[in-house]
Amino acid sequence: GAGVSQSPRYKVAKRGQDVALRCDPISGHVSLFWYQQALGQGPEFLTYFQNEAQLDKSGLPSDRFFAERPEGSVSTLKIQRTQQEDSAVYLCASSPRQANQPQHFGDGTRLSIL
Amino acid sequence: KQEVTQIPAALSVPEGENLVLNCSFTDSAIYNLQWFRQDPGKGLTSLLLIQSSQREQTSGRLNASLDKSSGRSTLYIAASQPGDSATYLCAVSNQAGTALIFGKGTTLSVSS
Repeated sequence: GAGVSQSPRYKVAKRGQDVALRCDPISGHVSLFWYQQALGQGPEFLTYFQNEAQLDKSGLPSDRFFAERPEGSVSTLKIQRTQQEDSAVYLCASSPRQANQPQHFGDGTRLSIL
Repeated sequence: KQEVTQIPAALSVPEGENLVLNCSFTDSAIYNLQWFRQDPGKGLTSLLLIQSSQREQTSGRLNASLDKSSGRSTLYIAASQPGDSATYLCAVSNQAGTALIFGKGTTLSVSS
């Protein structure tokens, strides 16, 4: 079966624009995670969904970041009024259940803010 | 706040050598620990997952150990190959199992 799919693979935006990043998890996976990875760093947790419920959004850096998963499958991470420090790779991961299951990662969206 | 440290940051070895990558974490209250591989421009591939009650896991030439009380894990790679060249990331899961906290990774280069 297909893995986690993210689109677009690359996104360039001007400072102040809004962007939307999409994640298609593996079919049937209950849990979905978003991470932000800066250059040369490990990924940092942003938010977690179990089905359509956003159970943990403690890692979202500001109220400009918003994530949703309305039907419990596809998820969208939206960043409003982008700033240069938002430039990073945004990784999505999914897993079959909440705990003790490996997370399967997509290839990420590389976001560059000019 | 949980912090994960990986040593060394980079490692270069000749093909065939056995090697050890180190990971330490500050809070022993973890749900599990995972080792990942990341190739340039790609996402992460899960290599091994060790539950908090386990001491080690093995997959092929890879062996990972976990000493929760001392906050340490090691990834042992036997008979390294050029195809093993990548960045290896260690991550611990918070107690709820809802988030992974990553180290910065060890970038491995295996020369033929």
